[in-house]
Amino acid sequence: DIVMTQTPLSSPVTLGQPASISCRSSQSLVHSDGNTYLSWLQQRPGQPPRLLIYKISNRFSGVPDRFSGSGAGTHFTLKISRVEAEDVGVYYCMQGTQSPWTFGQGTKVEIK
Amino acid sequence: QVQLQESGPGLVKPSGTLSLTCAVSGGSIGSSSWWTWVRQPPGKGLEWIGEIHHSGSINYNVSLESRLTISVDKSKNHFSLQLTSVTAADTALYYCARRRPRVGATGGAYMDVWGKGTTVSVSS
Repeated sequence: DIVMTQTPLSSPVTLGQPASISCRSSQSLVHSDGNTYLSWLQQRPGQPPRLLIYKISNRFSGVPDRFSGSGAGTHFTLKISRVEAEDVGVYYCMQGTQSPWTFGQGTKVEIK
Repeated sequence: QVQLQESGPGLVKPSGTLSLTCAVSGGSIGSSSWWTWVRQPPGKGLEWIGEIHHSGSINYNVSLESRLTISVDKSKNHFSLQLTSVTAADTALYYCARRRPRVGATGGAYMDVWGKGTTVSVSS
């Protein structure tokens, strides 16, 4: 199975300041079709996960442009340019390149 | 837009069978998507359980495969999960989700629609 490792596990951030989350995979997420199936999800307290980013850097419908994704191969990053109060929650990376689909352990973003 | 709603017993006895259904509304289960189950133990992260395509193709997490059955009922536009021989380790919040295929106009292998989740406790 591909292991997804996120850092940090907790990220206290000041409102209006940027936040960055790293996700590393135990093997390359480049599929034989040339695409990299890495997505990011947000889980607000008491809510189901919500898709933010897919295929590394594509923002899903309705996702604010303060969220951005980047990376390649085995190293990926989610950035929030200016954290707002509604961004509090746990963020997960997920790989869809090789079954079983696996998630990172989650990074908790909270306000300082 | 597509919405998902999980239903099923909230309490299952140890060694019993956990059975959940996910109703799909606002769209057809006969689309190109995969219909997926994910669980989240209390205070922990997300674990992919398995998924089914309306054609009957199935992918299971190998760690659960021996106890797991996922099925689809196209006439009722829903899909179901059965997990046998449950233990306390199966206590979790269970979500159903739609996973897009890799290819196609909406391709990307991402999970874009989620149910609200249903809590299942395994206890005597």
